[in-house]
Amino acid sequence: KQEVTQIPAALSVPEGENLVLNCSFTDSAIYNLQWFRQDPGKGLTSLLLIQSSQREQTSGRLNASLDKSSGRSTLYIAASQPGDSATYLCASRWGKFQFGAGTQVVVTP
Amino acid sequence: DAGVIQSPRHEVTEMGQEVTLRCKPISGHNSLFWYRQTMMRGLELLIYFNNNVPIDDSGMPEDRFSAKMPNASFSTLKIQPSEPRDSAVYFCASSLGSGTGNTIYFGEGSWLTVV
Repeated sequence: KQEVTQIPAALSVPEGENLVLNCSFTDSAIYNLQWFRQDPGKGLTSLLLIQSSQREQTSGRLNASLDKSSGRSTLYIAASQPGDSATYLCASRWGKFQFGAGTQVVVTP
Repeated sequence: DAGVIQSPRHEVTEMGQEVTLRCKPISGHNSLFWYRQTMMRGLELLIYFNNNVPIDDSGMPEDRFSAKMPNASFSTLKIQPSEPRDSAVYFCASSLGSGTGNTIYFGEGSWLTVV
């Protein structure tokens, strides 16, 4: 069974700092790895999707990398802003999606 | 596109009552997922359908839970009888097939409270 782990569970940084969020998975036979953002009381919004054949994806201040051999993905958020405060979840797909527990991020002004 | 549409958005019901949650996936998507989210257990996959056929229901907690997908544009998740421990946010999500480039899209969730 695929296990997805996110460390740390919570993170607080001052505005302007770069954020590094980690995601690890146990089975490297994945179709893709996806990062989501969830605001309190809301659903999940997709941020980036990395296909199994790719090493990274970028969108604006966000960059996600994928290393299947080590079972890891990292989400980088450059120059964090208070509006980046949310919970970030990663999910690996190998048929169905398996989610990590998320990292709760607080960016202080 | 309107996105994944769920109803009701909020429901408060008494223990023992039947609860039916509804979902309309994004048009053209052929994979549909039901998730449950709680503080204690995070996001759990309950069941997923591919081309209206249930593929994996191993996450359905017990016989009180049932899910159907009578056609490509509609799915229901039913809890009968409901219990206080069923209180959670239930998300429906859809995806275009199982290809490597296919993103999963979530609805806004149905917030269920069983008292």
